[in-house]
Amino acid sequence: GAGVSQSPSNKVTEKGKDVELRCDPISGHTALYWYRQSLGQGLEFLIYFQGNSAPDKSGLPSDRFSAERTGGSVSTLTIQRTQQEDSAVYLCASSLDRGEGNQPQHFGDGTRLSIL
Amino acid sequence: RKEVEQDPGPFNVPEGATVAFNCTYSNSASQSFFWYRQDCRKEPKLLMSVYSSGNEDGRFTAQLNRASQYISLLIRDSKLSDSATYLCVVNKGNYGQNFVFGPGTRLSVLP
Repeated sequence: GAGVSQSPSNKVTEKGKDVELRCDPISGHTALYWYRQSLGQGLEFLIYFQGNSAPDKSGLPSDRFSAERTGGSVSTLTIQRTQQEDSAVYLCASSLDRGEGNQPQHFGDGTRLSIL
Repeated sequence: RKEVEQDPGPFNVPEGATVAFNCTYSNSASQSFFWYRQDCRKEPKLLMSVYSSGNEDGRFTAQLNRASQYISLLIRDSKLSDSATYLCVVNKGNYGQNFVFGPGTRLSVLP
């Protein structure tokens, strides 16, 4: 399939470790988004990329979180020195972004992160 | 006030019922509107875009009222498989960074 692909599907790690989550968007989609969702809660916006640049980093919860996107395609979200409150499902989405605002987002299956 | 608000739910309806969800948004400059559904422990999936004149897709009808800053989703002849959380999504501008997701309304269709 040509959907948004995220890896790993599940990640269990010890508190204090660093983790790296990967997102491969739909081919040709210029916009890429990261969200996280705790159990039973709504989506929390983290960061948005237009091409390789991130005009909006306002949602990153702390300086332990960083994200990059290279080649206008794959993106990685890195969480350093993980804490238990980082446990959540991390969702990536992509969309065409022609400056018209009417292109919907398409989501990957998410990475379920559990911090022990 | 939250940028996008939805009926708090949950809605518990019998099979075959008609159910309507409401969504309001605060930014009058909002450009685009969507409904997503999210099944338990799954990712959100696009249900339908919402057009100014209203639009229908099978049993689903979406309406937009720009003057009242209000969006609705009507589901007719509900099925068990319609059980999910329905998310109202608003794009405040022309570019992707302005997407805002509502908190969602949970629907349970009962046999």
